[in-house]
Amino acid sequence: AQSVTQLDSHVSVSEGTPVLLRCNYSSSYSPSLFWYVQHPNKGLQLLLKYTSAATLVKGINGFEAEFKKSETSFHLTKPSAHMSDAAEYFCVVSSNDYKLSFGAGTTVTVRA
Amino acid sequence: DTEVTQTPKHLVMGMTNKKSLKCEQHMGHRAMYWYKQKAKKPPELMFVYSYEKLSINESVPSRFSPECPNSSLLNLHLHALQPEDSALYLCASSQDRTGKISGNTIYFGEGSWLTVV
Repeated sequence: AQSVTQLDSHVSVSEGTPVLLRCNYSSSYSPSLFWYVQHPNKGLQLLLKYTSAATLVKGINGFEAEFKKSETSFHLTKPSAHMSDAAEYFCVVSSNDYKLSFGAGTTVTVRA
Repeated sequence: DTEVTQTPKHLVMGMTNKKSLKCEQHMGHRAMYWYKQKAKKPPELMFVYSYEKLSINESVPSRFSPECPNSSLLNLHLHALQPEDSALYLCASSQDRTGKISGNTIYFGEGSWLTVV
């Protein structure tokens, strides 16, 4: 069994300040972990993924995430938020079959 | 190129209509998926095809009928839908060399917005 908990349903940041989106997971197997972003009225775009290589994963648009097995966490960060980062973010885990487990999502708003 | 193309982008249909959603990928992926997403919610898996065979049906009502004509195409046939079926329908694909998706990245299309009136 696997599950994902996104600890914040909504995050609001000022443009140019850091962004932190928190994600905890549980999985019976060694998981693969992903962050996807969904801009309004768009599909899901892959930001980054972890598949048991380096624990610090760099993604697109300046995002990165750190896999911490001891804490079962996979938090997403960006040093400086941009207005275009306003979107819905999903933390996702896959283990040993075809099913992805999605977190509930975190809505990011960026203040000018 | 990591593109999954879905058509149409928007569809309005009556409850007695028959329509289809189409999805195409040219990445050589052998697993394809249909997801349903309601507003402010994460996507929910509907169907999985692996090597053109239906692998998973998540107890989806029979008014939704998937079809995989070849390894690049995936259709979702719609008939006698209900207003609560209005949603964003997302197609996705991934490599499937091992029969499992673990470690494989799933690539999503832009989705088809369906409104049932």
